Amino acid sequence: NAGVTQTPKFRILKIGQSMTLQCAQDMNHNYMYWYRQDPGMGLKLIYYSVGAGITDKGEVPNGYNVSRSTTEDFPLRLELAAPSQTSVYFCASSYSTVTGSGNTIYFGEGSWLTVV
Amino acid sequence: GENVEQHPSTLSVQEGDSAVIKCTYSDSASNYFPWYKQELGKGPQLIIDIRSNVGEKKDQRIAVTLNKTAKHFSLHITETQPEDSAVYFCAASRNSGGYQKVTFGTGTKLQVIP
Repeated sequence: NAGVTQTPKFRILKIGQSMTLQCAQDMNHNYMYWYRQDPGMGLKLIYYSVGAGITDKGEVPNGYNVSRSTTEDFPLRLELAAPSQTSVYFCASSYSTVTGSGNTIYFGEGSWLTVV
Repeated sequence: GENVEQHPSTLSVQEGDSAVIKCTYSDSASNYFPWYKQELGKGPQLIIDIRSNVGEKKDQRIAVTLNKTAKHFSLHITETQPEDSAVYFCAASRNSGGYQKVTFGTGTKLQVIP
């Protein structure tokens, strides 16, 4: 049971390039999330998904796209990378119900992205 | 929307002393308050949580308290050890249209000095 696995761990991008951060979970969780973490700013939600085929914007979605074709995978796409997207990205998952709240969110190890 | 404030941003304690981290939240509909520990180069990991119908919860050396009226909740670590050194995040969560909306604090960097 690997939990939440995200790749790559580190990446340097040039301005204007595109890339995809991969994320997979093997816990059969229905909810998946992408957060970014900037120094002193906590975790900000980029996009989330409540199940395969369903995605929605979080607090800071601009410049990103996601897809959820399977329960396990939730890739994050950066189009036309900008220096403002330099950050640490965390994929996460949880098992949640429509009426539920308070289920543990499991995080991946993080992906350090630098845009130069 | 929800706003979670966390203090202090950094905290240094001597090994064996206690550490307290405090958070306040704004949304009275928040009903679940987890605490995460993030070690260097790792993702956050849940260490303890509390629900709105409980005032205090303990797990060995860590405890959380919740004051719903004042919208305050705190993390207490007793008999601190060097391995407690990490960044700690509080969070407030509520159900929002079928989605678990979680708002994180800005983190507290705890350093335990041997």
